[in-house]
Amino acid sequence: AQTVTQSQPEMSVQEAETVTLSCTYDTSESNYYLFWYKQPPSRQMILVIRQEAYKQQNATENRFSVNFQKAAKSFSLKISDSQLGDTAMYFCAFMKHESNTGNQFYFGTGTSLTVIP
Amino acid sequence: DAGVTQSPTHLIKTRGQQVTLRCSPKSGHDTVSWYQQALGQGPQFIFQYYEEEERQRGNFPDRFSGHQFPNYSSELNVNALLLGDSALYLCASSVGTGGYSSGNTIYFGEGSWLTVV
Repeated sequence: AQTVTQSQPEMSVQEAETVTLSCTYDTSESNYYLFWYKQPPSRQMILVIRQEAYKQQNATENRFSVNFQKAAKSFSLKISDSQLGDTAMYFCAFMKHESNTGNQFYFGTGTSLTVIP
Repeated sequence: DAGVTQSPTHLIKTRGQQVTLRCSPKSGHDTVSWYQQALGQGPQFIFQYYEEEERQRGNFPDRFSGHQFPNYSSELNVNALLLGDSALYLCASSVGTGGYSSGNTIYFGEGSWLTVV
């Protein structure tokens, strides 16, 4: 079974500062994908960034980057130059790689991030 | 291009009643997954429909059932509602049931809020 753990229920950051959200996961799979999703008050899940486990290079998307430590099963999200629009719930998610198992997400419990003006 | 649309947005039901939630996938998508997100929790996978059949199922009782129509839209039915069924129900659409790839982004709808009283 796959589990995803987010140990920070709430975090806050000053506007323009940098913040890091933590995520650990447990799996016996060797190939998989990891994701960070943002859920604003509208409740729609929005993809922030994704990482293929077989890639050693950490993914980056503009102000968002990850620190993927496969051996430690850790997948943290760094948000640089935080903006007020970054205020949302952030979910870490796992997906198996095998094509015959569909594309089911396993989500963590989320971290509520507040950007303070 | 419309994204994933869900209806109704909000609804209130009484314990023991039955409810039907609806989802229209993003144009070009043929696979629909349903997730339950209880307050303060991450989404939990209910099931996935492809080619009008249930392909994968999470750890949910038989009270939760679904259907997919030839136009790829889907319904989630919950019978004998319990107070614990109160949650946000999210629909996600994608292409096929194969493993995630950079060309198969999964899109979420804004969800249906169900309150059971």
